[in-house]
Amino acid sequence: DAMVIQNPRYQVTQFGKPVTLSCSQTLNHNVMYWYQQKSSQAPKLLFHYYDKDFNNEADTPDNFQSRRPNTSFCFLDIRSPGLGDAAMYLCATSRGIGDLNTEAFFGQGTRLTVV
Amino acid sequence: DAKTTQPNSMESNEEEPVHLPCNHSTISGTDYIHWYRQLPSQGPEYVIHGLTSNVNNRMASLAIAEDRKSSTLILHRATLRDAAVYYCILRDVKGPWDFNKFYFGSGTKLNVKP
Repeated sequence: DAMVIQNPRYQVTQFGKPVTLSCSQTLNHNVMYWYQQKSSQAPKLLFHYYDKDFNNEADTPDNFQSRRPNTSFCFLDIRSPGLGDAAMYLCATSRGIGDLNTEAFFGQGTRLTVV
Repeated sequence: DAKTTQPNSMESNEEEPVHLPCNHSTISGTDYIHWYRQLPSQGPEYVIHGLTSNVNNRMASLAIAEDRKSSTLILHRATLRDAAVYYCILRDVKGPWDFNKFYFGSGTKLNVKP
C-alpha cells in the first residue's frame, strides 16, 4: 500500500497561473520534504517541515511556498509558474530528529507541465 | 554539505553481481551513508544505509571502507528490473536543521543487459 501519496501524478498549468500540488502520508512521520527534479537531473531539495517548523533551502525561489496543515498533509504552492518550473515534484517523509538511523520514503511524484 | 562522487553510468549483465562505487572523502564521523535508486518515472526508493559496518538486506549489500571515505553498493545478481539511477547520499547531521536533510548527488545510471 502506498505510504506517501502524491496527487495528481500529472499536472498541466498555464504560465503564471498558481498551482498547488498535494502530498499525504500514512506513516505519521515528523518530517515532510519537497524536491524538484528536472529532466536528467538529481532531485533538488526545496524545503522541509519538521512538524510545523518550516525550513527553506537558501536557493529556493520565493515563487515556491509550502503549507502543512497537519501531520498527514503537505502542499507545494507555485505562485506564478514559469516554463523553467516544469519538472517532477517529489514529496518525501522521514521520522526526523532523534532518529538518525532512518530512511526517507518518497512518493511517486507529480510531473508538472507549464504551457 | 559532505559531497559524494559517483560514476555517471555503469553497465552490467543480467544475473551477474554489480558493484556501484561512491566516494565521500569529506564524510564526518556521524554521517550515515544512504543509497536510493530511482526507476524511470518513479520516485526514489530506499535501498540500504549504514554507518561503519557492512550491511546486508534483501535488496543489496553495503560495503563501507574502514576509513569511511568510500562505500560500495553490491547487487548480488542484477536483473533487468534493477536498471535505475542509484544515488549515494550522506545524511548530514551538522546542526539541528541539518539532521533531516537528504541531498542527492548526480547518481550512477545502471544499465542491465539481458
